[in-house]
Amino acid sequence: TQLLEQSPQFLSIQEGENLTVYCNSSSVFSSLQWYRQEPGEGPVLLVTVVTGGEVKKLKRLTFQFGDARKDSSLHITAAQPGDTGLYLCAFRLSGTYKYIFGTGTRLKVLA
Amino acid sequence: GAVVSQHPSWVICKSGTSVKIECRSLDFQATTMFWYRQFPKQSLMLMATSNEGSKATYEQGVEKDKFLINHASLTLSTLTVTSAHPEDSSFYICSAPGLAEGDTQYFGPGTRLTVL
Repeated sequence: TQLLEQSPQFLSIQEGENLTVYCNSSSVFSSLQWYRQEPGEGPVLLVTVVTGGEVKKLKRLTFQFGDARKDSSLHITAAQPGDTGLYLCAFRLSGTYKYIFGTGTRLKVLA
Repeated sequence: GAVVSQHPSWVICKSGTSVKIECRSLDFQATTMFWYRQFPKQSLMLMATSNEGSKATYEQGVEKDKFLINHASLTLSTLTVTSAHPEDSSFYICSAPGLAEGDTQYFGPGTRLTVL
């Protein structure tokens, strides 16, 4: 059973459009991370959210952690072709260094 | 920042052969490393935890006799895919955690295995 469900699974949009990716679970997390992965490479950490309701911005990317710390969203403003990639949310199992990844959202931004 | 390397970056082998993949922490020590498998267009699935000086712990459904893990030093973990079959073809990624509470983990660049 995948503990973290992401939606949508796939998204193809035109350059300049906005989009939101969701990461949902029935479990409560102490923190949650977002990664971007490009083909043939390892994931790269974008952000860690810790506090319920927290909002973090990274240039055109806005990350939000749900008030109940069960869900998170990633909003991209004015998407660019360079944003193309696989977006993954992940959480760390309490008391371990193990990270469990969400199902992933594959984004393609067309020029 | 911390760097994790993997070798080889890609490998093609015949069915029935064994393949060894190395994961190294280049500028820090890692008593624990993780191995993930990623099928095309899918997310990362944790396979096992590699523990320096002791046996690896495997996730449910992962065959420990098929995926041999050895963590012989504080900077090296190896994953050997034994008697590889085409269904083992995948992208294998290792990672090592940061040292402090709340630290992220550092991912290697991955190894693409293709079994013919």
